[in-house]
Order: sequence, then structure tokens, then C-alpha cells
Amino acid sequence: AQSVAQPEDQVNVAEGNPLTVKCTYSVSGNPYLFWYVQYPNRGLQFLLKYITGDNLVKGSYGFEAEFNKSQTSFHLKKPSALVSDSALYFCAVRDPQTGANNLFFGTGTRLTVIP
Amino acid sequence: NAGVTQTPKFRILKIGQSMTLQCTQDMNHNYMYWYRQDPGMGLKLIYYSVGAGITDKGEVPNGYNVSRSTTEDFPLRLELAAPSQTSVYFCASTGQFRNTIYFGEGSWLTVV
Repeated sequence: AQSVAQPEDQVNVAEGNPLTVKCTYSVSGNPYLFWYVQYPNRGLQFLLKYITGDNLVKGSYGFEAEFNKSQTSFHLKKPSALVSDSALYFCAVRDPQTGANNLFFGTGTRLTVIP
Repeated sequence: NAGVTQTPKFRILKIGQSMTLQCTQDMNHNYMYWYRQDPGMGLKLIYYSVGAGITDKGEVPNGYNVSRSTTEDFPLRLELAAPSQTSVYFCASTGQFRNTIYFGEGSWLTVV
């Protein structure tokens, strides 16, 4: 069965500091992994994805994520946080080997960047 | 640059009423999805479609129905609304390789 865990409901970081939002996953095969961001009263916006290739993936707004197969993790990172990064972040996984049509989402992590 | 468009944005329903949430996409995507988002629960798949005329149940289909008569449109029908259906609903679509799912802006539904 596919699943995603985001162990932190809330992450607070000072503006200018590096940020990390954690995600671990469970799939039977090689995963497709995604990060989405949701601003208040808005839909989910795609940030980045890992399908294959380089384990370090760069995405929108200066975010990046590192795929770690041995730790089954896909943590989202940014070197220097901005107040405008404050939002709800979702990690998602799909197992293409199962032919699943669905993305399985974590419960979300609310990031607050403190000025 | 429309992408995925959902209507209405907000709606209040009384218990037992019915309504349809509209969703249309202009990216010629085969795959379309309806999710609901409850606080602290992430997104749960209600129904999905792999192409016109083909739909299937997701994780939480009870109380909902869908149809897919065209590639562009994927309406979600709520029959006999219940308070448990108070949620935020997102329509989404993706192309042939299903690598990236694009979401609509959401529909906030309250059943009272």
C-alpha cells in the first residue's frame, strides 16, 4: 500500500534561515514523489517532482528536495526562507508500478516564516 | 491560461439538498480527479476518470456521483447532502504520463 507521512504539523523558521519540511513515503516499487504548496483559500500549486535521475530536484521559488531511497524520504528544503513562503505544504507519492491512478497525499505541514 | 476551473467557489447547502460542482480543464488531459480536503486529513480521492466515458471510485466515493461525457468536463454530483460532506473540494487533471497533477482553486462547501 502507498502512503506518505509528514511528521510535523507545523514548522516555524526565521526569515533568512534555511528551512526543511520532512516527508517519508511507503510504496512497493520506485516512487514518483511530489511537493505541492497551498496558500490560504487557494488550490494546490505544484512545486517540484522526482521521477527518476538526479536525487536532488530543484523546483519553483527556490525550493529543492532530495530523494533518499535508503531512508525513503523526500524532504523539501530552501536555503533562505522568505515570509512569503508561509503556507501549507503537501508531499505526495504515486507508485507507477501498480498502475495506480491516484496520488496519495500527506496530511500537510504548515510552514510559518517569522520576520 | 485557464488550466482547471471549478465552480462555484463557495456554497451553503441544507441537509438533503443536491448540487453539482462543475469542473472543466483546457489542457486536453485524459485523467481527471475529484478530491476532498478535510482539516488535518490531507486530500482524499473521491472519484477519478481516465478518459471520456470512463469513471471509477476513489477512496471516499459514498454520497457522490460523477460523469465524464467530454474530455474537458468532470462534474461532481452530491445527492442528499449531509453535514459530513462539509469540506473543500478540489478538481484536478493530468496528462498521459500522469507525472504532474494540476489543481483547480477549490470549492468550499458547507452543509447545514
